[in-house]
Formats: sequence, structure tokens, C-alpha cells
Amino acid sequence: SQQGEEDPQALSIQEGENATMNCSYKTSINNLQWYRQNSGRGLVHLILIRSNEREKHSGRLRVTLDTSKKSSSLLITASRAADTASYFCATDGYIFGTGTRLKVLA
Amino acid sequence: EAGVAQSPRYKIIEKRQSVAFWCNPISGHATLYWYQQILGQGPKLLIQFQNNGVVDDSQLPKDRFSAERLKGVDSTLKIQPAKLEDSAVYLCASSLSFPPSRPNQPQHFGDGTRLSIL
Repeated sequence: SQQGEEDPQALSIQEGENATMNCSYKTSINNLQWYRQNSGRGLVHLILIRSNEREKHSGRLRVTLDTSKKSSSLLITASRAADTASYFCATDGYIFGTGTRLKVLA
Repeated sequence: EAGVAQSPRYKIIEKRQSVAFWCNPISGHATLYWYQQILGQGPKLLIQFQNNGVVDDSQLPKDRFSAERLKGVDSTLKIQPAKLEDSAVYLCASSLSFPPSRPNQPQHFGDGTRLSIL
């Protein structure tokens, strides 16, 4: 069964705008990871945040984790057309959520 | 470094036939995973190997699915006999081995095998 659920299921924005997607999970975790998947390709690891961390940055990505609410968010700033993909959260490495399909319009 | 290699890229078979997928992980990666990804869903773990030993196969339908990782490198996943609901993308991933103090290293994924059952 899937542990995480991403919200929204789909998101369409203009290039240059910020994109925020959320992940909620059910049981306590050691860490949470975010992955990107381009159409027809495998997943690519973006960032890992441990349960004792609240925020982490990597380039244009910002991830937050609220263990009391069992939720995480991924913010992509100044989005580009190349960011168009599906984004998945994964708890404890291998339990993936349902994904958010992001479309960035040029 | 070379990525995770999977073959074939696409496979079409009829129900009740058998099929096999092959995966070559990144050199030096001790942990290997097989996932099933149904269209519109996230990947679901089928089996995890650490070297050539099985760590977790709790979600592998063992009446029809089997996997092996001989010599702790390449791996094959087999379905016999296939059912219509097995239509999916089968993804292989690998990661570095980890000590208990640093669990869940990032996984590196192959591009998968897209299986269609007629």
C-alpha cells in the first residue's frame, strides 16, 4: 500500500512561477525523500530530509518536514519548462506516494 | 558513472505467457530494488536485495513472480504466468550499501521495462 499522498495530483503553472507540492504520510518515519520522474523515464533523486530536520535547500528546491503533522512540502522556485515532470515523495526510502504531475508552461 | 541498465525497454505478451526482465545496477551498489509502477501511480516495491540476499519480498506475488540476484550483481525478475493486471512499468534501482546509522541512501533508477499484456 502507498504510505504517502501528494497534493495536488496535478499542477499547471507559468514559467518563472513557484510550484509547491505537498506530501502527507501515515506512520512515523526516519527520513523522507523527493524524486522526479520525466515521462517514460526512471526516477531521479532530488533531496533527502531526515526526521530531525525541518528544512533543507538544494539549488531551486526547498523541502520542509513537519513530523507532528506527518507532512512535507517541496517548493520549486522560478520554475522552468524543464521542470515539467511527476514528483514523488518516498518515506524511509522505498514507500512512494501517488505523485504530483507538474506542467510548466513556457 | 554508468547508470542502471534495464532490458528490454518494451515487452508485449499474451496473458498466461511468461516474461523476464534484466537489470544491471551501478557498479559497487550492493542494494538492488525491483518496483512495479502502474500507470498514474507511484512505484510499489516488489523485492529488495542486499548483495545476493533478499531483504524484503513481502509485496512480491510469489505464486507468479520470482527474482534472483546471482553473484550479487545483475538481477532478473520473472513473471509466470502473466495476468492482465501485471501490465505496468517494471523499474530497477540500486543504492550503496549502508550501515544502520545511515539508512536509506538515495536510489538510482533505470528507465524501466514497459510490459503490456494482451
